[in-house]
Amino acid sequence: EDKVVQSPLSLVVHEGDTVTLNCSYEVTNFRSLLWYKQEKKAPTFLFMLTSSGIEKKSGRLSSILDKKELFSILNITATQTGDSAVYLCAVSSGSARQLTFGSGTQLTVLP
Amino acid sequence: NAGVTQTPKFQVLKTGQSMTLQCAQDMNHNSMYWYRQDPGMGLRLIYYSASEGTTDKGEVPNGYNVSRLNKREFSLRLESAAPSQTSVYFCASSPGQGSTDTQYFGPGTRLTVL
Repeated sequence: EDKVVQSPLSLVVHEGDTVTLNCSYEVTNFRSLLWYKQEKKAPTFLFMLTSSGIEKKSGRLSSILDKKELFSILNITATQTGDSAVYLCAVSSGSARQLTFGSGTQLTVLP
Repeated sequence: NAGVTQTPKFQVLKTGQSMTLQCAQDMNHNSMYWYRQDPGMGLRLIYYSASEGTTDKGEVPNGYNVSRLNKREFSLRLESAAPSQTSVYFCASSPGQGSTDTQYFGPGTRLTVL
């Protein structure tokens, strides 16, 4: 059975801090790993990673995948209150590209 | 473009009632998915449709049925609702081909079964 585990479950930081969110996985027929941000409503896409060691970057957010050790990290630098959300990690597998989600990390950024 | 739309946004049912959740996408995507999200459980796949005319069970299909009406629309039906089906339901779509596995989500339906 495919499995995706995120840590920590929740995190409280102050504005300006840097955070690292973790995602480990065990899936058969791995295709890619995706990060989503969820603020109250629908998850919104952040990154998709398919190759080991190549960092994806968007502003203050960055992510990297290690396919040998089966994990990914999402870094957020200089956090802002608008970064408060649940961050979801998902792994795509199978010919139909089903996503298996982790339970998410609840990030709270205090002013 | 509207992306992925879902109706209704909220619904309250009594145990044993039936209802259909509607989902439509205007991105010409091949694949569509239904998830439920419960506190502390992340998103769990109920059913998916890799292409028009096909449907398959996901992780938690019991108590649900789906119909891929055409390329745009994918509906989820609860035949006899139970309190355990109280959840937030998300529909998603993806191109289903090429190099991207990215799924795009609708706004969700909050369902309460009393």
